[in-house]
Amino acid sequence: DAGITQSPRHKVTETGTPVTLRCHQTENHRYMYWYRQDPGHGLRLIHYSYGVKDTDKGEVSDGYSVSRSKTEDFLLTLESATSSQTSVYFCAIRPGTGDSPLHFGNGTRLTVT
Amino acid sequence: RKEVEQDPGPFNVPEGATVAFNCTYSNSASQSFFWYRQDCRKEPKLLMSVYSSGNEDGRFTAQLNRASQYISLLIRDSKLSDSATYLCVVKDTGRRALTFGSGTRLQVQP
Repeated sequence: DAGITQSPRHKVTETGTPVTLRCHQTENHRYMYWYRQDPGHGLRLIHYSYGVKDTDKGEVSDGYSVSRSKTEDFLLTLESATSSQTSVYFCAIRPGTGDSPLHFGNGTRLTVT
Repeated sequence: RKEVEQDPGPFNVPEGATVAFNCTYSNSASQSFFWYRQDCRKEPKLLMSVYSSGNEDGRFTAQLNRASQYISLLIRDSKLSDSATYLCVVKDTGRRALTFGSGTRLQVQP
């Protein structure tokens, strides 16, 4: 399995609080992605990174920010969590060469009450 | 229109049956295609890449039809363990991100 670790695995937080999810990889892959998965919507891209300090928005980026200060870590921050951000969040990685597929972390289940 | 569309199912089939799923994509410039499998409450896992000439991996066969802009997944001799959601994934030329379909749920019954 690809060396991807997401933390925490589960989190319950209150509306309005900031939350940071962490994705750590040991593969030295260039690309890292954050997706959210909700019933009826499938996997939707939040943000992605194509290198240290290089990030870009996905289709559902509002309310989220990211940072990548090291190759191995990609952080997703909810500045002020809302109930609509209750979801399962998956991190994925991909090498920078060719059209290689994604490999996913185990996911973080976030509940905003 | 969604970029990648799949029939959500569920497809309920008996053990040993052959089942096929299609996935349509809207961008004719799409260049890479994959099938993923996702078990309930787990992360998606790569099942197979889809090559232009079609490819097979054991009981699984993937096909690409560029003219009609769809890919297919055929599962022969279905097993109970094949029960899962199958996700179609497309990468477009020049884009760094991959786009997922919403998935097709397969339930193999004894």
